[in-house]
Amino acid sequence: SQTIHQWPATLVQPVGSPLSLECTVEGTSNPNLYWYRQAAGRGLQLLFYSVGIGQISSEVPQNLSASRPQDRQFILSSKKLLLSDSGFYLCAWSVGPAEGEQYFGPGTRLTVT
Amino acid sequence: DQQVKQNSPSLSVQEGRISILNCDYTNSMFDYFLWYKKYPAEGPTFLISISSIKDKNEDGRFTVFLNKSAKHLSLHIVPSQPGDSAVYFCAASPNTGNQFYFGTGTSLTVIP
Repeated sequence: SQTIHQWPATLVQPVGSPLSLECTVEGTSNPNLYWYRQAAGRGLQLLFYSVGIGQISSEVPQNLSASRPQDRQFILSSKKLLLSDSGFYLCAWSVGPAEGEQYFGPGTRLTVT
Repeated sequence: DQQVKQNSPSLSVQEGRISILNCDYTNSMFDYFLWYKKYPAEGPTFLISISSIKDKNEDGRFTVFLNKSAKHLSLHIVPSQPGDSAVYFCAASPNTGNQFYFGTGTSLTVIP
């Protein structure tokens, strides 16, 4: 069966510090991978998605970047965190083009102080 | 710009009654719609979906209705149970891409 892992579960970082959140998927090959952010009072905002190794699409301009160094690994990064980067970050995967649900990881609670 | 909107941030329903959660979208390219349920500090879990070729899909106590002309979908839960208390997100996907766009969520409370 497929599983998705995210770490860390919680993170407190000072403004201006770097960020690296990791997501890995097991039990499937060539998944579509997604990073979302849920900020207070807002829905799930799609940040990045990837349809293959090295292929990253960004939905919104921001202080963050994403990379997919391996088929089932998706990394969310920042060189310098802003206060507005605080939120709940979720990684998700899906089988392929739309016509199937996404499966979400447990999420990372990021607080930038 | 929010392409998928859930205008009711919260909803309270008595146990055993019907819960109706609404969702509106603006992009006519969306042709696949999903509902997710989310508990605090957890990732959302898939609940039910509907393709634009249908106007209704039913799975047990959950039914999703799609009105394409109005760009509106709704989730009906009947009968509602206390365990249904959670935040519900609707999501939409275009026929030309891999993206999923989520609404802002509706927090459902089912009162025993």
